[in-house]
Amino acid sequence: ETGVTQTPRHLVMGMTNKKSLKCEQHLGHNAMYWYKQSAKKPLELMFVYSLEERVENNSVPSRFSPECPNSSHLFLHLHTLQPEDSALYLCASSQDRGTGYGYTFGSGTRLTVV
Amino acid sequence: AQTVTQSQPEMSVQEAETVTLSCTYDTSENNYYLFWYKQPPSRQMILVIRQEAYKQQNATENRFSVNFQKAAKSFSLKISDSQLGDTAMYFCASGRDLGYSTLTFGKGTMLLVSP
Repeated sequence: ETGVTQTPRHLVMGMTNKKSLKCEQHLGHNAMYWYKQSAKKPLELMFVYSLEERVENNSVPSRFSPECPNSSHLFLHLHTLQPEDSALYLCASSQDRGTGYGYTFGSGTRLTVV
Repeated sequence: AQTVTQSQPEMSVQEAETVTLSCTYDTSENNYYLFWYKQPPSRQMILVIRQEAYKQQNATENRFSVNFQKAAKSFSLKISDSQLGDTAMYFCASGRDLGYSTLTFGKGTMLLVSP
């Protein structure tokens, strides 16, 4: 058990669909992250939530909409995606206040946009 | 801004041998952390080892150790007595010590351990 659970594990969606990715952690962490992992590219930070407030948004297109209703849950709402958005989406959590202990990751959602 | 460079897209090693993965980074931060993560086919990223930049002593975790050269901004990972289960993508990452730990990752090195 990783401590960070992502669902679904795989998702295939059409460009006109609306879907949501879910991330859940019960580690007592208070910062949560969405990363995009594409082949041959470094992990791209998408969003950061610290104490349930969005603190970073790295120029992500508006077709990606995050939501953090509480410190244990993080969602990524998807709508009108493009084929280039196909990737592995990783959620992570950490303890705030710069302890430097890195992240705990989930196993990701493999998204395919058709 | 921080950047992390891994110049070896792929590496191979035989079981029980030693292998070193390279990483260089650039940062303007005075206080930062460095990490190596492992991503096996199961996709979950697992923390292998971490280094605090203000500590000169190289970190060690069982068969994994780092060679941290702060002036050269180099942070290599040495895996001793390689095992088949070490086959994975390895990512080097750096993080600033500012509230939440925002990490910047390299492109990764695919390590294949063969019998």
